[in-house]
Amino acid sequence: GAGVSQSPSNKVTEKGKDVELRCDPISGHTALYWYRQRLGQGLEFLIYFQGNSAPDKSGLPSDRFSAERTGESVSTLTIQRTQQEDSAVYLCASSSTSGFSYNEQFFGPGTRLTVL
Amino acid sequence: QKEVEQNSGPLSVPEGAIASLNCTYSDRVSQSFFWYRQYSGKSPELIMSIYSNGDKEDGRFTAQLNKASQYVSLLIRDSQPSDSATYLCAVNLYNFNKFYFGSGTKLNVKP
Repeated sequence: GAGVSQSPSNKVTEKGKDVELRCDPISGHTALYWYRQRLGQGLEFLIYFQGNSAPDKSGLPSDRFSAERTGESVSTLTIQRTQQEDSAVYLCASSSTSGFSYNEQFFGPGTRLTVL
Repeated sequence: QKEVEQNSGPLSVPEGAIASLNCTYSDRVSQSFFWYRQYSGKSPELIMSIYSNGDKEDGRFTAQLNKASQYVSLLIRDSQPSDSATYLCAVNLYNFNKFYFGSGTKLNVKP
């Protein structure tokens, strides 16, 4: 079946502009994660959605970052008033919370954000 | 102390050798363990998951988990140049939301 998809694949923006990144999880996956990966660095957890529960926003670096998810479908990550330090690859992952593949996260291809 | 520690490498092995990648974690409540492979410029790709103490084999890959010592390792047999990548270790607390990723070990397999 289809994997996790993300759009756009690349985004170049000017400092101070808002950007919106989209993630389409694997069908049936109730859990969805957003991560940030700066060049040459590890994965930095941003936010987690599980079904209709309140999201875990503990990884969001500032109030300029927000994310939404409607039910178990598409999620959007919004960065307001972008700064140069926001430049990174933003990765989305989804996982099932039941069955043999319990908690195995599958990643999308990422969105490479460049803030000029 | 980081939740998950990995040697950043690079780890260099000749083609055909066994590559051994190690990972230690700090939280004894950790229940699920994962190895991901990440090629340069690409997103992480799941290789193995392991939930119980002992070994789990899948083709050329073997994951080993020792909860008492709080380490998990990945062995790659008959290493190929195409295995050259960064390998990420991840742990998850049972019924908790957070996944903790190590910073990754870079593996170079020399032809």
